[in-house]
Amino acid sequence: ELKVEQNPLFLSMQEGKNYTIYCNYSTTSDRLYWYRQDPGKSLESLFVLLSNGAVKQEGRLMASLDTKARLSTLHITAAVHDLSATYFCAVDRSNFGNEKLTFGTGTRLTIIP
Amino acid sequence: DVKVTQSSRYLVKRTGEKVFLECVQDMDHENMFWYRQDPGLGLRLIYFSYDVKMKEKGDIPEGYSVSREKKERFSLILESASTNQTSMYLCASSSAGASGNTIYFGEGSWLTVV
Repeated sequence: ELKVEQNPLFLSMQEGKNYTIYCNYSTTSDRLYWYRQDPGKSLESLFVLLSNGAVKQEGRLMASLDTKARLSTLHITAAVHDLSATYFCAVDRSNFGNEKLTFGTGTRLTIIP
Repeated sequence: DVKVTQSSRYLVKRTGEKVFLECVQDMDHENMFWYRQDPGLGLRLIYFSYDVKMKEKGDIPEGYSVSREKKERFSLILESASTNQTSMYLCASSSAGASGNTIYFGEGSWLTVV
């Protein structure tokens, strides 16, 4: 059974600081997704990482994937308040890449002015 | 603008009632999904459909069934609602073919069973 673990579960950080959210998973996969969720809202796709060594960046967020270590990271650079949200990673466990995802439990990020 | 629409945002149902949650997507996607989201558990896959009339069980199918009679519509059915099915339900869709397609989620349906 695939397990996906995120840490930390809760993170408060000051504006302007850098931090990293970690996503570990238990079985082989080379397809990993990151999502953002605002309170009471649906999930917004941030990144899709499809191979070992993949790195993607959008604004102050950068995601990477190490399939050998079964680890993905979401790095936040110079945090700003509007990045406050819950971030989920999810691993596609299907054999045919049809996006049957197993999600982590989420990291609730609060940016403090 | 791509859209996954869940018709009911907030529902309150009684134990034992039959509950229908409807989801419609306008992107001609082959794949559709139902997840439930609970605090501390993340999202868990209930059912998955990769084509009309086709379905696969996800991780937690017990107490649920689904229906996909048309490509754009995927319904989740709670045959006899129970209090432990109080949750937020999220529908999603994606295109088949190459892996790593973006998955689009609906706004969610908050179900309370009393």
